[in-house]
Amino acid sequence: DQQVKQNSPSLSVQEGRISILNCDYTNSMFDYFLWYKKYPAEGPTFLISISSIKDKNEDGRFTVFLNKSAKHLSLHIVPSQPGDSAVYFCAATSVGGSQGNLIFGKGTKLSVKP
Amino acid sequence: AAGVIQSPRHLIKEKRETATLKCYPIPRHDTVYWYQQGPGQDPQFLISFYEKMQSDKGSIPDRFSAQQFSDYHSELNMSSLELGDSALYFCASRGTGGIEQFFGPGTRLTVL
Repeated sequence: DQQVKQNSPSLSVQEGRISILNCDYTNSMFDYFLWYKKYPAEGPTFLISISSIKDKNEDGRFTVFLNKSAKHLSLHIVPSQPGDSAVYFCAATSVGGSQGNLIFGKGTKLSVKP
Repeated sequence: AAGVIQSPRHLIKEKRETATLKCYPIPRHDTVYWYQQGPGQDPQFLISFYEKMQSDKGSIPDRFSAQQFSDYHSELNMSSLELGDSALYFCASRGTGGIEQFFGPGTRLTVL
């Protein structure tokens, strides 16, 4: 059973507009969430994270929102740039539980068109 | 800044052969994680080490074993390879007190 779900396998956005990538989770023990970006033939690159004690974290063009009651988080990229085109993975972990291994969603492929 | 190094980047093996994948974490990172990513799949956690001791175990087959050495590098040993073992194998490292994991470029294993 998939504990972290990214229900949109792909998303296409025009350059300069906002990209919104969604992620849902089922395990209420998760207390830390991360977004990774992955280009083909490369390893995942850490983008931004959020602790469950917060509802928003911002870093430049990237903002992550967390709705604990809905077990939902989203990554906003604004403005989107062609170089943002990649697969984005949502990941979750339980800091107080396991030794921090990450549970990943299946990823959303973002295409930003010029 | 130094990143996680994995070798080899590509490996081709026959069925029933063995393979060894190596991972060199970011300097001063004491925790190493191994993940397997099949085609079109999300990365799946295999095993992790903290201060040279196994700290957690995921969906790692009994045919696979791993260890972390005194210099903190880690090796994933895979025996009796099967076609289904063909995948990208990622290593990630994490520093003391940190939560974010930093991934290497991966080793693409192809079993023929």
